Amino acid sequence: QKEVEQNSGPLSVPEGAIASLNCTYSDRVSQSFFWYRQYSGKSPELIMSIYSNGDKEDGRFTAQLNKASQYVSLLIRDSQPSDSATYLCAVNWGDSWGKLQFGAGTQVVVTP
Amino acid sequence: EPEVTQTPSHQVTQMGQEVILRCVPISNHLYFYWYRQILGQKVEFLVSFYNNEISEKSEIFDDQFSVERPDGSNFTLKIRSTKLEDSAMYFCASSGTSGGNEQFFGPGTRLTVL
Repeated sequence: QKEVEQNSGPLSVPEGAIASLNCTYSDRVSQSFFWYRQYSGKSPELIMSIYSNGDKEDGRFTAQLNKASQYVSLLIRDSQPSDSATYLCAVNWGDSWGKLQFGAGTQVVVTP
Repeated sequence: EPEVTQTPSHQVTQMGQEVILRCVPISNHLYFYWYRQILGQKVEFLVSFYNNEISEKSEIFDDQFSVERPDGSNFTLKIRSTKLEDSAMYFCASSGTSGGNEQFFGPGTRLTVL
């Protein structure tokens, strides 16, 4: 059974600080990794995709992938109250055709 | 910026009734998906669709479910005989290429089965 695991939180982060979110996955064949942001009652919104080991930066967001250790992380720099949401890690397994498997999400609360 | 749209935003139906959820994917995308999210639970994959065929489906996607691309823009999910446990948010997504490519989600349809 393939798994995508996230700490449910809530992760409380002071405004302006760095939020660090982690996601572990169970299958070494995984090819593609995605971070989505989901506000309450809304749909998932794509933030980042990462496909190879290392870091990928986009604005205030940095995704980090370590396939040997089977984890992917998301850093949010200079956190803002508008970053308060649930962050979903999603994995496309290498033997699957486009299917994304989501983690349960980490709730982030940015406090002013 | 192109986006996925879905209608209706909220659908209320009686158990045993048929419902059709509609989606308009991003116009130049070729791969389409349905996911659902029961309140408080994970987003779950239902089905992927390419070239007028189902590419992959989950265990949830049983004979009560079907998908169709009736024309060049719409992508529909039909539930033939709804059950109470079908109550959920249903999200349509599309991507430009297969597999690991980025999927963009629509705003969702909240289905309530009474």
